[in-house]
Amino acid sequence: GAGVSQSPSNKVTEKGKDVELRCDPISGHTALYWYRQSLGQGLEFLIYFQGNSAPDKSGLPSDRFSAERTGGSVSTLTIQRTQQEDSAVYLCASRVRADRTDTQYFGPGTRLTVL
Amino acid sequence: GNSVTQMEGPVTLSEEAFLTINCTYTATGYPSLFWYVQYPGEGLQLLLKATKADDKGSNKGFEATYRKETTSFHLEKGSVQVSDSAVYFCALTGQGAQKLVFGQGTRLTINP
Repeated sequence: GAGVSQSPSNKVTEKGKDVELRCDPISGHTALYWYRQSLGQGLEFLIYFQGNSAPDKSGLPSDRFSAERTGGSVSTLTIQRTQQEDSAVYLCASRVRADRTDTQYFGPGTRLTVL
Repeated sequence: GNSVTQMEGPVTLSEEAFLTINCTYTATGYPSLFWYVQYPGEGLQLLLKATKADDKGSNKGFEATYRKETTSFHLEKGSVQVSDSAVYFCALTGQGAQKLVFGQGTRLTINP
């Protein structure tokens, strides 16, 4: 079946603009994660959704970052008033259920460049 | 908090050489341990995993054993190929946690 998909694959924006990144998880996967991969910080957790539970937002670096998951499926990560340090590859992952032993399946990522 | 430390890269080997990439972790309780691989131009994909002490994960000729006593999960392969050139990430999910905590990644280049 289809894997995790993300759009756009590349996004170039100007400092101060808002951006929205989209993630379509694998069908039937109840858990969804966002991570960020940057040169200076490596791979960092941002936020986690599980079913109808309140999301774990503990990894969001500032209040400019927010995410939502509609209908338990598609998720959107929004970055307001982008800064140059937000430039990174944003990765989405999904998992069948909230079991830490289960594999997380990653999408191809969205490369964000803030000029 | 939980953390993962990998050997510094980059690592360059000749084809058919033996590979070891060291990974050690800090975590309370019994984390689940993973190796992910990122081939050039591709996304992260699971290579292997182990979810309890003394388990051995294996895939594509790679192996790693969950060693609780040394808090390690070293990745090994007996004979590497050019196609193994990639960035390798060691990661864990801690007990009672959901997120993956990654090491810094090790870039591996295999020369023919």
